[in-house]
Amino acid sequence: AQKVTQAQTEISVVEKEDVTLDCVYETRDTTYYLFWYKQPPSGELVFLIRRNSFDEQNEISGRYSWNFQKSTSSFNFTITASQVVDSAVYFCALSEPFPGAGSYQLTFGKGTKLSVIP
Amino acid sequence: DTGVSQNPRHKITKRGQNVTFRCDPISEHNRLYWYRQTLGQGPEFLTYFQNEAQLEKSRLLSDRFSAERPKGSFSTLEIQRTEQGDSAMYLCASSLSHNQPQHFGDGTRLSIL
Repeated sequence: AQKVTQAQTEISVVEKEDVTLDCVYETRDTTYYLFWYKQPPSGELVFLIRRNSFDEQNEISGRYSWNFQKSTSSFNFTITASQVVDSAVYFCALSEPFPGAGSYQLTFGKGTKLSVIP
Repeated sequence: DTGVSQNPRHKITKRGQNVTFRCDPISEHNRLYWYRQTLGQGPEFLTYFQNEAQLEKSRLLSDRFSAERPKGSFSTLEIQRTEQGDSAMYLCASSLSHNQPQHFGDGTRLSIL
């Protein structure tokens, strides 16, 4: 089973529509961290948000909002009023301890390609 | 904060040749990571350094791969006797601690002819 599942491979929306990107994760650890990264066509991975496992408070930042639900192991990401510049691949990632070690490993999902059509 | 820098941006080489990539992390970051990303996939962890110590290695890292981080500053990733399957984007990231976000470089795209 994948540790991070992004079931939506590709999504297309028309500009100004809202869009939600889904992420489901799997871990046995009680302390872990969740991240969203954006990878535009130029290729660089850009950090968007981090959440730790003890903080289920959802957040809104401008047009972005995140919904973290431990009960369903989900960490979904919503863009409101989408813009063409939002077109990118979005990755959800889980940071959990390496087995038997004190350091953490970051595992990425396969990504969701978002296309915003003008 | 000048960001994570990777060189070269692109590398084209013939099968069987050796290649070496360099990563310069954000200066105050003591943790450095290497990932590999193939088309349509998320980055896959290869190896991790804390200062100069290589603490973790993925099973993806075959004997042909070696990474170093002398003096805990820049890092190099070497691939010996390259194979077609090594073609990928190699990404480097650095962070301040395990609970802080990893910041990525632009990557080195390797193409094996």
